[in-house]
Amino acid sequence: NAGVTQTPKFQVLKTGQSMTLQCAQDMNHNSMYWYRQDPGMGLRLIYYSASEGTTDKGEVPNGYNVSRLNKREFSLRLESAAPSQTSVYFCASSFTVGTEAFFGQGTRLTVV
Amino acid sequence: QKEVEQDPGPLSVPEGAIVSLNCTYSNSAFQYFMWYRQYSRKGPELLMYTYSSGNKEDGRFTAQVDKSSKYISLFIRDSQPSDSATYLCAMSYNFNKFYFGSGTKLNVKP
Repeated sequence: NAGVTQTPKFQVLKTGQSMTLQCAQDMNHNSMYWYRQDPGMGLRLIYYSASEGTTDKGEVPNGYNVSRLNKREFSLRLESAAPSQTSVYFCASSFTVGTEAFFGQGTRLTVV
Repeated sequence: QKEVEQDPGPLSVPEGAIVSLNCTYSNSAFQYFMWYRQYSRKGPELLMYTYSSGNKEDGRFTAQVDKSSKYISLFIRDSQPSDSATYLCAMSYNFNKFYFGSGTKLNVKP
C-alpha cells in the first residue's frame, strides 16, 4: 500500500526554468494538498483540492499553479522558478478537508 | 498572534522518560486535533487524531485535549531513542483547512 507518492524526490532548477511536481494517492481520498516547509516557517499551504474538479489557494499560492488531474493525482507547477521557491514540498491527502491527512515523502527543490 | 502555538524546543530527555509535548490555540472553533511525527528529511507521519476533549491512548502515546483551556498535549511513555524527531500538532474545524504548529524537536538520549 503506497499511500501518497511524490515524484521527483530531488530537483535542481535554474532560475526561470519550469517544472511540475507530481503527486498520486491510492487511498481513495477526496481532498489533496500541496505544502512547502522551510526552516523556521513550518508547513505552509500552497494550494488544495477539496474534491476532484476543484482547487483553492492556500497561504502562499503566488508563483504556483495546480491541476487536479483526477481523483488520484494532484500536480504542482512552477512556471518560472525563483530562488525563493527553494524548499521541501509535501503533498498530502485526506478523506475530506480537515480530517486526518497523510503525507508523501517530499520533494527537495533547489533553485539556483 | 498565531492560531496555533508550539514550543520549538529542542527538548532533550533520557531514554525511558515520560515526554510531554504541548500546543495552545486561540480559535475555540477547532474541533479536530492531530499529532504528527517527522523524522529528519522525511514526510510527516500521522500519529494520533481525535475529535473530542479528553484522552486517547495508543500504545505508548496518549493524546489529551482540553478545549476549555485551548490546550492539547501528546504524552510519550517509556521514550526511546527512536522517538527522536520533530512533533507537529495540527487542528481544523468545520472541514476546513489544517492549522499546524511549528513543531517541537525531541531528542531522546540513550
